[in-house]
Amino acid sequence: GENVEQHPSTLSVQEGDSAVIKCTYSDSASNYFPWYKQELGKRPQLIIDIRSNVGEKKDQRIAVTLNKTAKHFSLHITETQPEDSAVYFCAAKWGRGSYIPTFGRGTSLIVHP
Amino acid sequence: NAGVTQTPKFQVLKTGQSMTLQCAQDMNHNSMYWYRQDPGMGLRLIYYSASEGTTDKGEVPNGYNVSRLNKREFSLRLESAAPSQTSVYFCASSEVQFNTEAFFGQGTRLTVV
Repeated sequence: GENVEQHPSTLSVQEGDSAVIKCTYSDSASNYFPWYKQELGKRPQLIIDIRSNVGEKKDQRIAVTLNKTAKHFSLHITETQPEDSAVYFCAAKWGRGSYIPTFGRGTSLIVHP
Repeated sequence: NAGVTQTPKFQVLKTGQSMTLQCAQDMNHNSMYWYRQDPGMGLRLIYYSASEGTTDKGEVPNGYNVSRLNKREFSLRLESAAPSQTSVYFCASSEVQFNTEAFFGQGTRLTVV
């Protein structure tokens, strides 16, 4: 099955700084890469995703980049705010023709005011 | 629109007791999943159901069973609970014809004493 590695496990930044979280995957057939944000005590929710035919996607302060050759993708958050503090998970496809999300271990982002 | 609904939200079991976690989705999704979330381990797949009438093991299936009752409902059963099953459990669903996001339930915090 798919194997997704995520780094770092913890990231501490000052408000206004940028944050970058990186993931690598093993299955070259994977073609969908979502990112989820999980606030304390809440469920994971999608914040941005990218498909394999696109190298970069932006949504306001959030961007995701994908390098299919190297099998890695990254989440970039600019101008971080305290409300960005949460656990972020990357995911990639796994399974025999089905999209079964395999998740990284998560990154705890702490934004200090 | 309720999305994915899980019950119960909290549960305490004694070692050896059994229980069933219920999950229902109203988005007409074909695929449903059960994950467990432990500190530092991310979201690990227990079982999944790619479509109504099918179920398959995920990464950590031991000690669990599932039932896909119909297209809407996917339950997770612990036959004889063990302290190692103390965790937060999430049900999720997604559509598989197209690579799209997974929607999560609110989670069940289970403690086995």
